[in-house]
Amino acid sequence: DGGITQSPKYLFRKEGQNVTLSCEQNLNHDAMYWYRQDPGQGLRLIYYSQIVNDFQKGDIAEGYSVSREKKESFPLTVTSAQKNPTAFYLCASSQGAYSNQPQHFGDGTRLSIL
Amino acid sequence: GENVEQHPSTLSVQEGDSAVIKCTYSDSASNYFPWYKQELGKRPQLIIDIRSNVGEKKDQRIAVTLNKTAKHFSLHITETQPEDSAVYFCAARVTGGGNKLTFGTGTQLKVEL
Repeated sequence: DGGITQSPKYLFRKEGQNVTLSCEQNLNHDAMYWYRQDPGQGLRLIYYSQIVNDFQKGDIAEGYSVSREKKESFPLTVTSAQKNPTAFYLCASSQGAYSNQPQHFGDGTRLSIL
Repeated sequence: GENVEQHPSTLSVQEGDSAVIKCTYSDSASNYFPWYKQELGKRPQLIIDIRSNVGEKKDQRIAVTLNKTAKHFSLHITETQPEDSAVYFCAARVTGGGNKLTFGTGTQLKVEL
């Protein structure tokens, strides 16, 4: 899964601040996803994109925003409206948005509140 | 929407024993079921997956079984080794759901020497 790069590895947010997490893939995958992982809760879908310039809300989209201007990039912004942003954020991608292709993950970004 | 339940939340076995993790899903339209292994602080890695037209799939010491009627699927690890210690997640994808996955809450597997 070396083709999915997330940065930074660690990120700290101040109160009232927006922060952006980067996700880049060089696998030529059509679909990209953002998940949030909290202890004991598994992975929950925030947003996903099946094609460039299009994206849909997942199960916990409130307080987050995304863009998909390029096929290889799917940045996630954690806005100040997200009151409990401390979590491990994982980006994934898959080939073919409408088929049963496996999702592959990046190394994650750990976000904490200062 | 789809709901996936996973049991047990923790599992401790002796090295060489077998381990079984079970998941149930709610949406009968689900047709793809992957399993991921996640070591502490690292990315989840796909270890095996199964599609709804198959009842069982095996890859060396790992196997997955699917019972569509009962809407449950299981991960079987034989001859466990210390390096199998990790958190395992099951997931399910609903047909027409844009390849969205719903994950279980994970099983912490510990293989003791």
